[in-house]
Amino acid sequence: GAGVSQSPSNKVTEKGKDVELRCDPISGHTALYWYRQRLGQGLEFLIYFQGNSAPDKSGLPSDRFSAERTGESVSTLTIQRTQQEDSAVYLCASSSWQEQYFGPGTRLTVT
Amino acid sequence: QQQVKQSPQSLIVQKGGISIINCAYENTAFDYFPWYQQFPGKGPALLIAIRPDVSEKKEGRFTISFNKSAKQFSLHIMDSQPGDSATYFCAASKRSNYQLIWGAGTKLIIKP
Repeated sequence: GAGVSQSPSNKVTEKGKDVELRCDPISGHTALYWYRQRLGQGLEFLIYFQGNSAPDKSGLPSDRFSAERTGESVSTLTIQRTQQEDSAVYLCASSSWQEQYFGPGTRLTVT
Repeated sequence: QQQVKQSPQSLIVQKGGISIINCAYENTAFDYFPWYQQFPGKGPALLIAIRPDVSEKKEGRFTISFNKSAKQFSLHIMDSQPGDSATYFCAASKRSNYQLIWGAGTKLIIKP
């Protein structure tokens, strides 16, 4: 079956521009997570969606970051007015229980 | 109390040797302990996981040892191969909340 997919795989943007990253979770998975991973670093939790509950936004680093998810389908992570420190790989994962399955990530480079 | 502490940060092992990575946790409500493997340019992939009702779980060359009283768990890779070179993350979660609490990662290099 299809795994978690993310698009684009790579995104280069100029400082100050807005970007949208997309995640398609595994069908039937009720939970969806966004993480940020800087080069050579660990996983930094950003936001968590669980079914129709209010998302846990406690990991979003600033109000420039936001995410949406419609039902149990696609999610988009939006970064407004990008800064150079936003450069990282953004990973999406989905789960139906405690096992999380990751997508390949979107590598964001802010120039 | 939510932290998972992972060590070492990096590890070099000769081919054929045993690689051991350790994690410790504080929250006794955790009931699920997975290990993830990440190759450069890829997302982490679930490698093996354990629940606290058993002290050991083995899948091929990979074994998790779990010590409930010490609140520690470890990943053992037997007969380590160059293809095992990757970054390994431990994590923990509790049944009431799917969120995984992640260790900082261990970069493993297997020397041929």
